[in-house]
Amino acid sequence: KNEVEQSPQNLTAQEGEFITINCSYSVGISALHWLQQHPGGGIVSLFMLSSGKKKHGRLIATINIQEKHSSLHITASHPRDSAVYICAVRNNAGNMLTFGGGTRLMVKP
Amino acid sequence: DSGVTQTPKHLITATGQRVTLRCSPRSGDLSVYWYQQSLDQGLQFLIQYYNGEERAKGNILERFSAQQFPDLHSELNLSSLELGDSALYFCASSIGTAGNTIYFGEGSWLTVV
Repeated sequence: KNEVEQSPQNLTAQEGEFITINCSYSVGISALHWLQQHPGGGIVSLFMLSSGKKKHGRLIATINIQEKHSSLHITASHPRDSAVYICAVRNNAGNMLTFGGGTRLMVKP
Repeated sequence: DSGVTQTPKHLITATGQRVTLRCSPRSGDLSVYWYQQSLDQGLQFLIQYYNGEERAKGNILERFSAQQFPDLHSELNLSSLELGDSALYFCASSIGTAGNTIYFGEGSWLTVV
């Protein structure tokens, strides 16, 4: 079993839909990151969370430390949100990231 | 633009060869991280340097080595290349060693033929 599991692996949505991507982890962490990777390959850091909830524009990230679970929500999805979303956990020492397998999102107009 | 610069962007080389990937971190960032993204294994942490010193090691092969120079740029050296080393290699940087946002470069696409 991988230390970081994401679901779903693939997701297709219609423009405007509310989207949720889930991440579960099995190790102790100091923080959790949500990353976005566009088809060109570049990776953008969306959120870094150690507790609670963060919001940036249409994106919301939550984490439940006790349940070792995080969710990334996209409200009013748009085709430009189409990308691979990757969950990564930072170890307790804070110097290593372990990545989930990614969720490939396609938003259709 | 993350501020992290990686060169080259694309590289094609033959098996058995050696290549060097270069990374310039964001201005002011002392930590540099290297990651490998392959089709079969996804993203994996390779190694971290902080202010010139190695701080953490992940799934880095013995054929691979890295260093961080006094001006804080870093190089990842890949030797005796095999077909399976074909991947996208990312460099990332952060201000400190922990608890900071990590900024990724655009990656270096390595194809071994």
